Amino acid sequence: QQPVQSPQAVILREGEDAVINCSSSKALYSVHWYRQKHGEAPVFLMILLKGGEQKGHDKISASFNEKKQQSSLYLTASQLSYSGTYFCGTEIYNTDKLIFGTGTRLQVFP
Amino acid sequence: GAGVSQSPSNKVTEKGKDVELRCDPISGHTALYWYRQSLGQGLEFLIYFQGNSAPDKSGLPSDRFSAERTGGSVSTLTIQRTQQEDSAVYLCASSLGGTGANVLTFGAGSRLTVL
Repeated sequence: QQPVQSPQAVILREGEDAVINCSSSKALYSVHWYRQKHGEAPVFLMILLKGGEQKGHDKISASFNEKKQQSSLYLTASQLSYSGTYFCGTEIYNTDKLIFGTGTRLQVFP
Repeated sequence: GAGVSQSPSNKVTEKGKDVELRCDPISGHTALYWYRQSLGQGLEFLIYFQGNSAPDKSGLPSDRFSAERTGGSVSTLTIQRTQQEDSAVYLCASSLGGTGANVLTFGAGSRLTVL
């Protein structure tokens, strides 16, 4: 049931872009994205509901392809503050529990 | 309270001892989760409580693990006869619950070290 994230790790220079992918084998009702900084608890970024919507949050946006059970997180013009581990959380149809992916570690250097 | 509160923040125990970890969710949040995060790893689902429904225990790794939620609020995760592989950060999260509305707020976690 656990969604698969790729890549496992990303290293960027400030200002560069990155894409993180999340894929599930189950039909999804929603996809969530969270960011966890070192030594801290995960923090909610955004939620995408079925319907193939795309959302944005500052220079971070995401899409959800319901038919493919895939979501992508787009980070543009990355900042040092974007460093952390990104988790997608998937809500499978007919359940409302949230199962998290394996995580993608993002490091942004000056 | 304003956020999700977990205690203790750190617990060191000897192999074979029992431990209890406590979670106090945000007032009014009907859904409560426990996750385990081993060093450098992802968020492993353990158990999920939603309102008065029977909890989803499908993520508990063995029968040494159990959890209760009293009065729809405070939850306790109990690990019996602890093993070294139980060492991890145990994270609690709560939400308003309901399909599509399950935005989680996490507590700071309880770091368990089994010697």
